[in-house]
Amino acid sequence: RKEVEQDPGPFNVPEGATVAFNCTYSNSASQSFFWYRQDCRKEPKLLMSVYSSGNEDGRFTAQLNRASQYISLLIRDSKLSDSATYLCVVNGGGKFQFGAGTQVVVTP
Amino acid sequence: NAGVTQTPKFQVLKTGQSMTLQCAQDMNHEYMSWYRQDPGMGLRLIHYSVGAGITDQGEVPNGYNVSRSTTEDFPLRLLSAAPSQTSVYFCASSDGQVSQAFFGQGTRLTVV
Repeated sequence: RKEVEQDPGPFNVPEGATVAFNCTYSNSASQSFFWYRQDCRKEPKLLMSVYSSGNEDGRFTAQLNRASQYISLLIRDSKLSDSATYLCVVNGGGKFQFGAGTQVVVTP
Repeated sequence: NAGVTQTPKFQVLKTGQSMTLQCAQDMNHEYMSWYRQDPGMGLRLIHYSVGAGITDQGEVPNGYNVSRSTTEDFPLRLLSAAPSQTSVYFCASSDGQVSQAFFGQGTRLTVV
C-alpha cells in the first residue's frame, strides 16, 4: 500500500464551479501536511499548508482529519489557471511522502 | 533568491555511463532529498540527508549514490546509467521536520 494515496482524476470542472478531492496517508506519526501544485511535470510548488483546524487561502480550503488520516482540498470559483496536478504531501521527520497527484482540468 | 539550484536541466546518457546531478541550496537547510518522478507514479524518494555527513536511503536507492559533505550541496551520482533511470529528477530542501519542501527546477534525464 502506498503511504499517500490520491484519486488520480482527472476532475473536469466547469469554470466557476467548485471541486473537492481528498488524499489518505498511512503513517499516523506524520507531523505536517501540505498541498502542492505541479504544472506539466515542472517542479512542485507549495499551494498551502494544512492544519488540523482547517485553513483557507482565498478560493482554496484545506482540511485535515488526523483520526481518519485524510486531507482534503476544496477549490471554489475555479479558474482556467487552476488546471494542474495537485499533490498531497506528508512530512514525517523530514522525509516527504508524495501522493501521485490529482489532475484538475478547468474548462471554459 | 536562488533557493534550490539543480544542474543540468537536461541530459542524455548512454547506457553504462556515469554522471552526477548537482543540487545546491542557499537557505541553510538541514534536510535535503532527491526524488524521481515517472509518469503516473508521483515523486519517489531516492536518498535523503538530515545534515552534513548524514545520508540515508529512500524508497528507490538502487543505482544511485549520494554524499553530503557540506550543508549546501547534495549531489546524486548515477553509477552506471540504465534506461530504467530515464526520469525527471527533483532535489528538495527543508529546514525542519514540520516545514515545507523547496524544490529545484528538475533534471530531465534520458538514458539510451
